[in-house]
Amino acid sequence: DGGITQSPKYLFRKEGQNVTLSCEQNLNHDAMYWYRQDPGQGLRLIYYSQIVNDFQKGDIAEGYSVSREKKESFPLTVTSAQKNPTAFYLCASRAGGSGTYEQYFGPGTRLTVT
Amino acid sequence: AQSVTQLDSQVPVFEEAPVELRCNYSSSVSVYLFWYVQYPNQGLQLLLKYLSGSTLVKGINGFEAEFNKSQTSFHLRKPSVHISDTAEYFCAVFNQAGTALIFGKGTTLSVSS
Repeated sequence: DGGITQSPKYLFRKEGQNVTLSCEQNLNHDAMYWYRQDPGQGLRLIYYSQIVNDFQKGDIAEGYSVSREKKESFPLTVTSAQKNPTAFYLCASRAGGSGTYEQYFGPGTRLTVT
Repeated sequence: AQSVTQLDSQVPVFEEAPVELRCNYSSSVSVYLFWYVQYPNQGLQLLLKYLSGSTLVKGINGFEAEFNKSQTSFHLRKPSVHISDTAEYFCAVFNQAGTALIFGKGTTLSVSS
């Protein structure tokens, strides 16, 4: 079955440590996204990539970094510079061709930093 | 900048009653609108989308939405809800840059018996 996988589902880290969240898709989609979800805040865009080896900052990129070395993978690193990293992180993808707008989402990773 | 406003943060309703979840968007030349549903600790699932054509859009699980250009609204409706419809619902618009969805803050639908 095609889809998006995120691992792990739950992640715990100590303050000051960097942590990398995994996102893999086998939908052959060009575009991939990272959103952060906090209660009552909706989804906020962190980074997105429309093509391999290229990515753009979203609305809340500070304290995060990404890479897009392969079409199917878009890992997100939460650095120690992110002031409030505890949140639910969602990865998404989109086909990316003209006339494609729908985004497909992974199951999410809940990160807790103490 | 484009934005999406979901007018109710929480909507409590009894089983088998009708429900409407309200969504307004900032105007744009071309508008592509979506409703997603999220069950606890899960990702988002697409309910329905409006890209063009008929302003009444039907989706999964008996939901429908009406695109109203003059009122810049895209309200979600269901004539009779079930306990299993309890979830968070997000309205979204594709941004003018053509790169990503912009989401509202969500509406929590709570269905009780």
